[in-house]
Amino acid sequence: NAGVTQTPKFQVLKTGQSMTLQCAQDMNHEYMSWYRQDPGMGLRLIHYSVGAGITDQGEVPNGYNVSRSTTEDFPLRLLSAAPSQTSVYFCASSYSGQGGYEQYFGPGTRLTVT
Amino acid sequence: GESVGLHLPTLSVQEGDNSIINCAYSNSASDYFIWYKQESGKGPQFIIDIRSNMDKRQGQRVTVLLNKTVKHLSLQIAATQPGDSAVYFCAEKGASKIIFGSGTRLSIRP
Repeated sequence: NAGVTQTPKFQVLKTGQSMTLQCAQDMNHEYMSWYRQDPGMGLRLIHYSVGAGITDQGEVPNGYNVSRSTTEDFPLRLLSAAPSQTSVYFCASSYSGQGGYEQYFGPGTRLTVT
Repeated sequence: GESVGLHLPTLSVQEGDNSIINCAYSNSASDYFIWYKQESGKGPQFIIDIRSNMDKRQGQRVTVLLNKTVKHLSLQIAATQPGDSAVYFCAEKGASKIIFGSGTRLSIRP
């Protein structure tokens, strides 16, 4: 299994540009989520999904859209990039239920908006 | 609102000693509490979790304690090793959301 994969690893955008960060998992996990991590800070939840066709907002959803058309993929779209969105973005997936919530994280996408 | 925080931003321990990392939470409705380890340049890695109806759970060299009375969570690492150097995050799951705290950096003195 590849686990959780994210592309690209690095990206530089100009203010106002849009782009999609890709996330895929091959573990058949129901739960997927996107976090951002600013330097020296913790992770903040942007959006999450408890299954295909279901998404919901996290702590900092403004400026981002998500969709979950399949169990495997959970792309994150930046609609109009702003310097405040410069951050490292992590995607995660897990089973959900009585067994706990062991999340598997991808390697991250480092985004710089100039 | 929901919040998860940590008492100490940095912790330095002697190699071989035990480490204790603390965390406070505010959402009494959380049903799981989770500890993650994040090494430099990598994504967080799951260490251990504990369900809200438990007080203690042990793993390999790690123990998590949950005190619901004072809304406090701790991670104990036995016989700390150089490979334990990382930032440690607590997180809580309320409804379907998993919210992270701000992190504690653990450094090991030789």
